[in-house]
Amino acid sequence: DVKVTQSSRYLVKRTGEKVFLECVQDMDHENMFWYRQDPGLGLRLIYFSYDVKMKEKGDIPEGYSVSREKKERFSLILESASTNQTSMYLCASSFSWNRGYGYTFGSGTRLTVV
Amino acid sequence: AQSVTQLDSQVPVFEEAPVELRCNYSSSVSVYLFWYVQYPNQGLQLLLKYLSGSTLVESINGFEAEFNKSQTSFHLRKPSVHISDTAEYFCAVRPSGGSNYKLTFGKGTLLTVNP
Repeated sequence: DVKVTQSSRYLVKRTGEKVFLECVQDMDHENMFWYRQDPGLGLRLIYFSYDVKMKEKGDIPEGYSVSREKKERFSLILESASTNQTSMYLCASSFSWNRGYGYTFGSGTRLTVV
Repeated sequence: AQSVTQLDSQVPVFEEAPVELRCNYSSSVSVYLFWYVQYPNQGLQLLLKYLSGSTLVESINGFEAEFNKSQTSFHLRKPSVHISDTAEYFCAVRPSGGSNYKLTFGKGTLLTVNP
């Protein structure tokens, strides 16, 4: 089975801290994605990467950055955490060539910024 | 561009009742269609998908969805639900070709099965 592993299930950080959320996949997927999920708003795409060192902004990139130095790892960085970034963060990965595959998701990181 | 509308944000039902979760989509190109399920405090898991062929697709736990091209719908159904089906369900579409390869998700439908 493809696995997408997010390093933390629950995280509590202070306002102004720099926060790193890590995601690792083990199936050699080209594409990786970061979403945030909030009640009533569904999934909103923050950033995605279609190859190593490549990244593109999603729908809500403000306040976030990403890093993809290796194919299997995609990191989401909150440069200066704020309370409005309290949310569930979901990482996903997929093949770029096999569109019928869909995405594989990690278990999520529930981040609370206090 | 694609868009997905899930017509109900919440669907409460009683155990053993039938349920239908509605999904409509809009796209100028051919798409693949997916249903994902999210149990509390977990990530999303693929429930079923339509790529081609028979318009009725089934999952291993008794859900089915029917692709209706003329109505641009992909509704999810189960004839008899269990308490354990309580979860949030997301409909999604992905272009089958072209330069846009991202999934577009609906906002989700929370299915609550009551005893």
